[in-house]
Amino acid sequence: SAVISQKPSRDICQRGTSLTIQCQVDSQVTMMFWYRQQPGQSLTLIATANQGSEATYESGFVIDKFPISRPNLTFSTLTVSNMSPEDSSIYLCSVERTPQSGYTFGSGTRLTVV
Amino acid sequence: LAKTTQPISMDSYEGQEVNITCSHNNIATNDYITWYQQFPSQGPRFIIQGYKTKVTNEVASLFIPADRKSSTLSLPRVSLSDTAVYYCLVGPTGTASKLTFGTGTRLQVTL
Repeated sequence: SAVISQKPSRDICQRGTSLTIQCQVDSQVTMMFWYRQQPGQSLTLIATANQGSEATYESGFVIDKFPISRPNLTFSTLTVSNMSPEDSSIYLCSVERTPQSGYTFGSGTRLTVV
Repeated sequence: LAKTTQPISMDSYEGQEVNITCSHNNIATNDYITWYQQFPSQGPRFIIQGYKTKVTNEVASLFIPADRKSSTLSLPRVSLSDTAVYYCLVGPTGTASKLTFGTGTRLQVTL
C-alpha cells in the first residue's frame, strides 16, 4: 500500500494564527482526502483534493477556514486558518492506493490551539 | 454510503477469539465491507476487506452472510497489542470514494 509522510506530527499554536500541514505520498494518486479527528471521536472528512481543481468540501467545512493545495499528484497541504481552541484535533490525510488494499492514512498531525 | 452500526466497546482477555459484528442494512450491490484498526496517535490501518462469504488473511477473518446486511470481524487469539478502535466501513472500491467513519468499536484486551 502507499506510504504517506505527514508533517508536522504535532504542534501547539496560538489562537488566531494558521498552520499548514503537509502530506507527501510515495506514488501518484488522483485524489487525496483530509480528515479531522477530535479527541475521543471518530474521523470526519473535511475535503477531497484533486490535482488541478478546487478541493471539494464537506458540509460544515469551508475553504476560507481550511484552504487546500494540490500542486501535483503526490503532494497536498491543508491549512487551518485563524485557529481557535475548537480546532484542536488530529488532522489526517488519506489516499486509496488500490481497491484491494483499502485506504492508507498518514500518521496524523496533532494540533493543540492555546 | 451505507450507514454502519457496531458496538461502542468490547473487552477481552488475552488469547481469546474476538468477534466484532457490524450491521449495514442498507448496503448496496456494489459496496464492499472494509475494516480498519486504529491505535492511539496513529492513523487507521486497513485490516481486511470482503464482498461476500468469508475472507481470511494473516491478521483476521471476515464473515459475511448471504444477505450482506451484517458482517463479523474475527480476531483469533488476541493479544494486548490488539487493543485499539476497530471501524467497519461500507462502500464501493476502486473509485477513490470518500470514506464515512462510524463510531467504531473500542476493544480492550487485558491479561
